[in-house]
Amino acid sequence: AQSVTQLDSHVSVSEGTPVLLRCNYSSSYSPSLFWYVQHPNKGLQLLLKYTSAATLVKGINGFEAEFKKSETSFHLTKPSAHMSDAAEYFCVVKPGGYNKLIFGAGTRLAVHP
Amino acid sequence: ETGVTQSPTHLIKTRGQQVTLRCSSQSGHNTVSWYQQALGQGPQFIFQYYREEENGRGNFPPRFSGLQFPNYSSELNVNALELDDSALYLCASSLDGGGGAKNIQYFGAGTRLSVL
Repeated sequence: AQSVTQLDSHVSVSEGTPVLLRCNYSSSYSPSLFWYVQHPNKGLQLLLKYTSAATLVKGINGFEAEFKKSETSFHLTKPSAHMSDAAEYFCVVKPGGYNKLIFGAGTRLAVHP
Repeated sequence: ETGVTQSPTHLIKTRGQQVTLRCSSQSGHNTVSWYQQALGQGPQFIFQYYREEENGRGNFPPRFSGLQFPNYSSELNVNALELDDSALYLCASSLDGGGGAKNIQYFGAGTRLSVL
């Protein structure tokens, strides 16, 4: 069975400090992995994707994620948080051969001055 | 902006009614997927349409149905509304070769449905 577990429902950081949002996945087939961000009253925006190329993936707005097959993890990081990063973040798996996205429950990121 | 538009943005219905939600996909895309996002949860896959045919379905009852038109826009219909159908409904479009290709889905802002 395919699933995604986001290990923290809420993360709070100070502006200018690093961000770490944790994600573990379970997939029977070679998956594609994504991080999406959802700002209030806006659609889901793709931050980055992993599709079996380089294991360190760089995305938009300074975010990056590392695919670790041995740990079945795909954690999202950013060296320095900005106030505009406050939003809901979703880790997503698309199992190979399937056409649906499987979302984690989300992590709400708060950024304090 | 993704170029995926959904209408209406908000909708209020009563239990037992029927509702139709609409989605206009990004230019050049041939695949539309629908998701339900309950409050405080991640989106759940309802179904996908590829070139006007249903191409996969999640764990939703038959009263959730859909259509895709020749211009690749799509509708989601829900009959016999229940209170638990209250959610944000998201549409995503992609350019797909079929068979679960690893293509990016671009989301609209969603339709928030409230069932009273």
